[in-house]
Amino acid sequence: KQEVTQIPAALSVPEGENLVLNCSFTDSAIYNLQWFRQDPGKGLTSLLLIQSSQREQTSGRLNASLDKSSGRSTLYIAASQPGDSATYLCAVEEGAQKLVFGQGTRLTINP
Amino acid sequence: EAGVTQSPTHLIKTRGQQATLRCSPISGHTSVYWYQQALGLGLQFLLWYDEGEERNRGNFPPRFSGRQFPNYSSELNVNALELEDSALYLCASSPRDKGSYNEQFFGPGTRLTVL
Repeated sequence: KQEVTQIPAALSVPEGENLVLNCSFTDSAIYNLQWFRQDPGKGLTSLLLIQSSQREQTSGRLNASLDKSSGRSTLYIAASQPGDSATYLCAVEEGAQKLVFGQGTRLTINP
Repeated sequence: EAGVTQSPTHLIKTRGQQATLRCSPISGHTSVYWYQQALGLGLQFLLWYDEGEERNRGNFPPRFSGRQFPNYSSELNVNALELEDSALYLCASSPRDKGSYNEQFFGPGTRLTVL
């Protein structure tokens, strides 16, 4: 059974810092990995999708990497801003369009 | 372009009642997905509908059911509500390119509270 773990569960950093969020998964036979952002009580916003054949994806200040063999992904956020405060979720697609989510990292950027 | 919409925003029911949640996908998307986000359990996959058919189902009891209409909108029905069904229910949609994964776009959710 696929399990997705995100460390740390919560992170608080001062504005302007670069930071890394971690995601690990137990079964490397994944199709894709997706990073989402969730604001309190809201739905999910897709940030980056990395297909299984890719190693990384970039969008603006965000960069996500994928190492299938080790079952790891990282989300790098450069020059953090208070508006980046949210919960960040990692999800892997294990087939038949089913996403398996981690518990998320709650990020707080302090002005 | 309008995103995924869900109704109602909030729903309050009592134990044993039935709840019906609705989802309208992004125009042109044929697949609809339902997820449950209960406190402390994280997001869990519930159901996937594509072109009116149930394609995949998560580890939930049969009292969780749904359907997809010809216009690709979808309903999630939860029968015999239990307190632990209280959660945020998220709907997502994607285009359907058979044989490959399509990015899922999420709606704002329906907050179901069971008293």
